[in-house]
Amino acid sequence: QLQLQESGPGLVKPSETLSLTCTVSGGAISSSRYYWGWVRQPPGKGLEWIGTIFYSGSTYYNPSLQSRVTMSVDTDKNQFSLKLTSAAAADTAVYYCARRNNWDYADAFDIWGQGTMVTVSS
Amino acid sequence: QSVLTQPPSVSGAPGQRVSISCTGSSSNIGTGYDVHWYQQLPGTAPKLLIYGINKRPSGVPDRFSGSRSGTSASLAITGLQADDEADYYCQSYDSSLSGWVFGGGTKLTVL
Repeated sequence: QLQLQESGPGLVKPSETLSLTCTVSGGAISSSRYYWGWVRQPPGKGLEWIGTIFYSGSTYYNPSLQSRVTMSVDTDKNQFSLKLTSAAAADTAVYYCARRNNWDYADAFDIWGQGTMVTVSS
Repeated sequence: QSVLTQPPSVSGAPGQRVSISCTGSSSNIGTGYDVHWYQQLPGTAPKLLIYGINKRPSGVPDRFSGSRSGTSASLAITGLQADDEADYYCQSYDSSLSGWVFGGGTKLTVL
């Protein structure tokens, strides 16, 4: 069964770069059926789509974050990553990685990681 | 302020039926883009509940159903149970924003 696991620092200083990695196990990241994405949730608030990447490296970013976001994929390690530059307190959130399934589930996010809390503070 | 508008909260007694609305516009739901619903139990990751307007992933009870009308979508839950108490989010694609958008979420309380 496919599983996703986020990893990265839980504390980031303001103005620095927030970096997270999602490791995919139980299946290959290099499938044409799926995209891979990041979604975040500030404490006590709703969900926000950050971006999506295909195994070929094609990326799609939330326009409100596009200037600060970079996503990449490493098919050898079966991982994809998120970098968010110029971190600020407003970026404090639980960050989820998820699979977007355009084969079986009409592009819905059908599998999610457990999430990792990232706090931006000095 | 979310592109997709949901009521902040709904409530119902065990066994009752509740409905959660998701109001969009002509650049998302009204265009015909699919709507998905997620259930988020306290302290856990979201779980796909309904996809493609009204389809249920394997394992989701048929007490949960989805529908769409014009620029809005709805999630209905019948036979309310205590463990349905959770936050529910709708999601669609928005052509004006060129990206995926979520509703603000609705907290369901089972009385």
